[in-house]
Amino acid sequence: AQSVTQPDIHITVSEGASLELRCNYSYGATPYLFWYVQSPGQGLQLLLKYFSGDTLVQGIKGFEAEFKRSQSSFNLRKPSVHWSDAAEYFCAVGAQAAGNKLTFGGGTRVLVKP
Amino acid sequence: GAGVSQSPSNKVTEKGKDVELRCDPISGHTALYWYRQSLGQGLEFLIYFQGNSAPDKSGLPSDRFSAERTGGSVSTLTIQRTQQEDSAVYLCASSPRPGQGSVEQFFGPGTRLTVL
Repeated sequence: AQSVTQPDIHITVSEGASLELRCNYSYGATPYLFWYVQSPGQGLQLLLKYFSGDTLVQGIKGFEAEFKRSQSSFNLRKPSVHWSDAAEYFCAVGAQAAGNKLTFGGGTRVLVKP
Repeated sequence: GAGVSQSPSNKVTEKGKDVELRCDPISGHTALYWYRQSLGQGLEFLIYFQGNSAPDKSGLPSDRFSAERTGGSVSTLTIQRTQQEDSAVYLCASSPRPGQGSVEQFFGPGTRLTVL
C-alpha cells in the first residue's frame, strides 16, 4: 500500500528566507509524486509533479522539488519565500496501477513572518 | 476554460438526514475522484470513476456512502443517515484519460458538510 509522510506539521519562515518541506513516501515501484498547495478556504492547486526523467522538477510560483529514489523522498523547496506562500502544502503519491488515486501526506502548514 | 465545480459550497444538515453532493468535472475528463478532508483523518480517497468501468469504491468508509456518475460526466456523492463524524470538506477531482499525457488531477473548491 502507498503511504506518504510529511514530518513537519508546522513551519515558520521569515519572508525572503528559503523554505524546504519534507516528504517521504512508501511504494513498491516508481510512483507518480505531486505537491499541492491549499490556501485558506480554497481547493487544492498543483505546484509540481514527477512522473519520470529528470529528478529535479520545476513548478509554479518558483517552487522546485527533487526526487531521490534512494531516500524515498520528494522534498519541496523555494529559495525565497513571499508572504503569499503562507498556506498548507500536501505531498501526494499516485500509481497508474491503482487508478492514479492519490494518497496524501498529513500536510505542512507554512507561516510566513514579515 | 471552466474548472471542476462542486455544489453546494456549504451544507449544514441534521444528524440522520441524507445529503447529496454534486461534482461537475472538466469537460472531456474521463476520470473522476472523490476525496474527503477532515481534521482527524486528513485527505482521504473515497471513490474513483474511470469511463464506463466499475468504480473503485475501496475508500468509502461505510455503506452509508455511495456515489454515481451519470453519462460519464456529473457525479453525485450521497451520504445516508449522516453522522457527526461525516462533517468534513468533500473534494472532487477530475483527470484526463490515463495514457493521454498528464495524470494530474484537477480539484474543485469542495463542499463543506457540517452535521449537527
